[in-house]
Amino acid sequence: TQLLEQSPQFLSIQEGENLTVYCNSSSVFSSLQWYRQEPGEGPVLLVTVVTGGEVKKLKRLTFQFGDARKDSSLHITAAQPGDTGLYLCAGGSFGSWGKLQFGAGTQVVVTP
Amino acid sequence: GAVVSQHPSRVICKSGTSVKIECRSLDFQATTMFWYRQFPKQSLMLMATSNEGSKATYEQGVEKDKFLINHASLTLSTLTVTSAHPEDSSFYICSATSSGGYGETQYFGPGTRLLVL
Repeated sequence: TQLLEQSPQFLSIQEGENLTVYCNSSSVFSSLQWYRQEPGEGPVLLVTVVTGGEVKKLKRLTFQFGDARKDSSLHITAAQPGDTGLYLCAGGSFGSWGKLQFGAGTQVVVTP
Repeated sequence: GAVVSQHPSRVICKSGTSVKIECRSLDFQATTMFWYRQFPKQSLMLMATSNEGSKATYEQGVEKDKFLINHASLTLSTLTVTSAHPEDSSFYICSATSSGGYGETQYFGPGTRLLVL
């Protein structure tokens, strides 16, 4: 079983601050997805990265996939209360037929 | 695009009854659907993988006779919790991928909150 270690587990910051969430593994993934989940709802896809070294930007969110495709990070600039939620990284593997390995999640709280 | 719905969103039932949860891909054909269970403040726990027209593949520790999964079409999968007990109370979430193969993105439904009294 490939393990995805996500850190930190919990992050509480003030509006306007920056934050970074990390997702690390000793295994290589074919793709890495980031999701955000709000209480009582299903996870919503933020981004999929598939190429080692890839950087994707989505407004204030920057996603990076490590060169070796073993790790990823999510950076939020000037966080807003609307960024509050559970952030989940998930890795896909060759031959796994779409099955994803999820990290434990990072609970982010942004206070006004 | 890539919208997945679940029904019902919430269900309360008595212990010993069965509950069926539907998962539908609304604007794409889902060759593979996944069923997850999530406990409060925890990540998703994969229960089973469902491919259209074939038997579901269950994860270790998940009772296939208790959690019946049917994937009768490319847009519909159902999870039936048979003889539900209070310990089955949880948040159940389905997801779907648009094609088979590796590393495909999963699109999630909104989840179903099950409470067994």
